[in-house]
Amino acid sequence: AQTVTQSQPEMSVQEAETVTLSCTYDTSESDYYLFWYKQPPSRQMILVIRQEAYKQQNATENRFSVNFQKAAKSFSLKISDSQLGDAAMYFCAYGLTGTASKLTFGTGTRLQVTL
Amino acid sequence: SQTIHQWPATLVQPVGSPLSLECTVEGTSNPNLYWYRQAAGRGLQLLFYSVGIGQISSEVPQNLSASRPQDRQFILSSKKLLLSDSGFYLCAWRKAGRYDTEAFFGQGTRLTVV
Repeated sequence: AQTVTQSQPEMSVQEAETVTLSCTYDTSESDYYLFWYKQPPSRQMILVIRQEAYKQQNATENRFSVNFQKAAKSFSLKISDSQLGDAAMYFCAYGLTGTASKLTFGTGTRLQVTL
Repeated sequence: SQTIHQWPATLVQPVGSPLSLECTVEGTSNPNLYWYRQAAGRGLQLLFYSVGIGQISSEVPQNLSASRPQDRQFILSSKKLLLSDSGFYLCAWRKAGRYDTEAFFGQGTRLTVV
């Protein structure tokens, strides 16, 4: 069974600094997607970034980028120039491609942004 | 564009009462549909997912059930609620196939069983 592990329950970063959130996963598949979702206090789940496993290039979205290490089954999220609005719960998720797919989430990392 | 609707937003139910949460998706066909539960301060636990009408996969044995009577409708039910059923329930959809497979979430239902 696929599992997703986020070993950092809480992280803190100063405004304008950079923070990295860790995620590891376990799978025997070769074709899959990885995601980072943000859940602010409103509890609406917002997609931050996604990575296709077949792509070697790390995904980037503005201040957000990932470090995808397929062999190590590691998928970390780097937030640069942190802003107060980045404070939220961040969830790493794994999903297979194809019709028989389910999305598996980690337990989340609560990110605090301080002045 | 695709949208997902989930209701109600908040629900307070007594122990032993029935439950029905509904989720509908617009603007797409044959989506994969999911029900997740999030306990306070915890991660997302997958409860059920469906890849088609009448096709339900259960991830966690419990007193909840799910149904998919129409292509874009997903219902979470219980005949008798337990205190432990309290939590935040999220419905999500995902396009089946090779590309664009991120999940899109509804606004969630906060369920309190008293």
